[in-house]
Amino acid sequence: AQSVSQHNHHVILSEAASLELGCNYSYGGTVNLFWYVQYPGQHLQLLLKYFSGDPLVKGIKGFEAEFIKSKFSFNLRKPSVQWSDTAEYFCAVNARNNDMRFGAGTRLTVKP
Amino acid sequence: NAGVTQTPKFRVLKTGQSMTLLCAQDMNHEYMYWYRQDPGMGLRLIHYSVGEGTTAKGEVPDGYNVSRLKKQNFLLGLESAAPSQTSVYFCASSYSRRVGSYEQYFGPGTRLTVT
Repeated sequence: AQSVSQHNHHVILSEAASLELGCNYSYGGTVNLFWYVQYPGQHLQLLLKYFSGDPLVKGIKGFEAEFIKSKFSFNLRKPSVQWSDTAEYFCAVNARNNDMRFGAGTRLTVKP
Repeated sequence: NAGVTQTPKFRVLKTGQSMTLLCAQDMNHEYMYWYRQDPGMGLRLIHYSVGEGTTAKGEVPDGYNVSRLKKQNFLLGLESAAPSQTSVYFCASSYSRRVGSYEQYFGPGTRLTVT
């Protein structure tokens, strides 16, 4: 079965710092990849997704992610974080079936 | 367009009690899902449905039952609640694979405590 690993459990940054959150998955076939964000007290919202094509995808709020097939990775990046980016971030993988697997999440705290 | 809604938002149960969580979506999505979210474990799929009248088990189905009598509603039942079922429950929905989109839309969650 597919699995998703997010290695950073809690990341603390100052405003304007650059962000990179790691996501690795284990599945040998074709996958769809997602990053979701959960702001405090809110439900999950889609940040960005990759289905095919350009492996560098851009999402909302200045986030981007790069799919590296050879490394089974889909890392999330943002050049300059803001205090409002404080949230929990989830990587998810769907092996083109009904089964979406989520990583354990990375909590991001941005200090003003 | 309310998207995905869940009722109730909060609930406290005693061990052994039963309850039903209701999920409703107004986007005409074929697929619906129930997840539980626990600290350090992300979201885990409990059950899902690929259409009205159909349900299937996910990753952690034990202790839960579901029904999809209407396309827009997906019910999650706990017949005999246990403290291990204390969690935040999220419902989600998505278009079918025919549409080629696998993005899931989430509800606001239900926080359940079993004492």
